[in-house]
Amino acid sequence: KNEVEQSPQNLTAQEGEFITINCSYSVGISALHWLQQHPGGGIVSLFMLSSGKKKHGRLIATINIQEKHSSLHITASHPRDSAVYICAVHNTDKLIFGTGTRLQVFP
Amino acid sequence: DTGVSQNPRHKITKRGQNVTFRCDPISEHNRLYWYRQTLGQGPEFLTYFQNEAQLEKSRLLSDRFSAERPKGSFSTLEIQRTEQGDSAMYLCASSLLAGTDTQYFGPGTRLTVL
Repeated sequence: KNEVEQSPQNLTAQEGEFITINCSYSVGISALHWLQQHPGGGIVSLFMLSSGKKKHGRLIATINIQEKHSSLHITASHPRDSAVYICAVHNTDKLIFGTGTRLQVFP
Repeated sequence: DTGVSQNPRHKITKRGQNVTFRCDPISEHNRLYWYRQTLGQGPEFLTYFQNEAQLEKSRLLSDRFSAERPKGSFSTLEIQRTEQGDSAMYLCASSLLAGTDTQYFGPGTRLTVL
């Protein structure tokens, strides 16, 4: 069993839909990151969370430390949101990554 | 701020050859990380440096892999006697501080071993 699990693995949506991606982890963490990876490999950090909730534009990330679970929400999805979204947890000094959720948003 | 850069962006090599990749982190960033990502998977930790000191190496990093950061600035990752299983995207990231500081990723070097 992977230490960081994401669901779903693949997600398709129509433009404007509300999207949720889930992440569960089984190790102790000091923080959790949500990352976005576009084709070609570039990875961008979206959020770093250690508790509660953060919002940036149409993106919202929440974390429940007791349940070892985090969610990434995208409101009013747009085709430019199409990417792979990766959950990663900070364990000691390194990141442990989930396998990613591939999101495709169609117009 | 020019971001994290990696060279080359793509490398095709024949099995058994040696390859070397370079990572230039954001200037003044003390931490530098190497990750490997195979198709359809999330990145996996390989090793990291605090300035010039290599602090941790993953069990994934066999004896054929070596990484250096000689002056605490750029870093190189060398793979000797490449195998087809080494084909992957090699990602470098840097952060200013230790611990949970945000890591900034480079564009990666895609290695294909024929």
